[in-house]
Amino acid sequence: GEDVEQSLFLSVREGDSSVINCTYTDSSSTYLYWYKQEPGAGLQLLTYIFSNMDMKQDQRLTVLLNKKDKHLSLRIADTQTGDSAIYFCAESTQGSSYKLIFGSGTRLLVRP
Amino acid sequence: GAVVSQHPSRVICKSGTSVKIECRSLDFQATTMFWYRQFPKQSLMLMATSNEGSKATYEQGVEKDKFLINHASLTLSTLTVTSAHPEDSSFYICSATQAGESGELFFGEGSRLTVL
Repeated sequence: GEDVEQSLFLSVREGDSSVINCTYTDSSSTYLYWYKQEPGAGLQLLTYIFSNMDMKQDQRLTVLLNKKDKHLSLRIADTQTGDSAIYFCAESTQGSSYKLIFGSGTRLLVRP
Repeated sequence: GAVVSQHPSRVICKSGTSVKIECRSLDFQATTMFWYRQFPKQSLMLMATSNEGSKATYEQGVEKDKFLINHASLTLSTLTVTSAHPEDSSFYICSATQAGESGELFFGEGSRLTVL
């Protein structure tokens, strides 16, 4: 079945770049997403990438997709303390662009 | 952007009672809504897919009689946790898609259920 995996924790210094990695299994996924969750809150969509793209940039965020290796990454440039949160990658499931399978989440801690 | 609202944001109930959580799309028509459950420090687990006017489709391992889902209109879906037990305590999050759109889901802020 579908599976999405992420490393659990990442710590960076303020001003450095953060790279959060994700691997997925469903090669038929149409969309891949990055969500941010702050403590006790719902999910905030950060960005998504269509499966026929290999890169997408949106201000401080860069998403790289390696479809051959089923590897997705999120790079946050100039990481700020306000970026501290849990980041989830998600893939859309076979047959539906909207039914998502989430990774376990990566907790990003930004040190001053 | 589109807004999805959940109510209540927090609810505490006694074991054995039923609790209803609402998910509303405030400024768009949501043909499909999804209900997720999130245990502490864990990922989101899809519970069911709710299409307006039809029965919800539940994921494997999710009890239909335990988690009743109703999607009676294009702007409202409800999740009722029946005969709640402490192990049902969790963070429940809904998401919704706009009719005719593709590629984006809008998530509610979540509802934290605590069963005593």
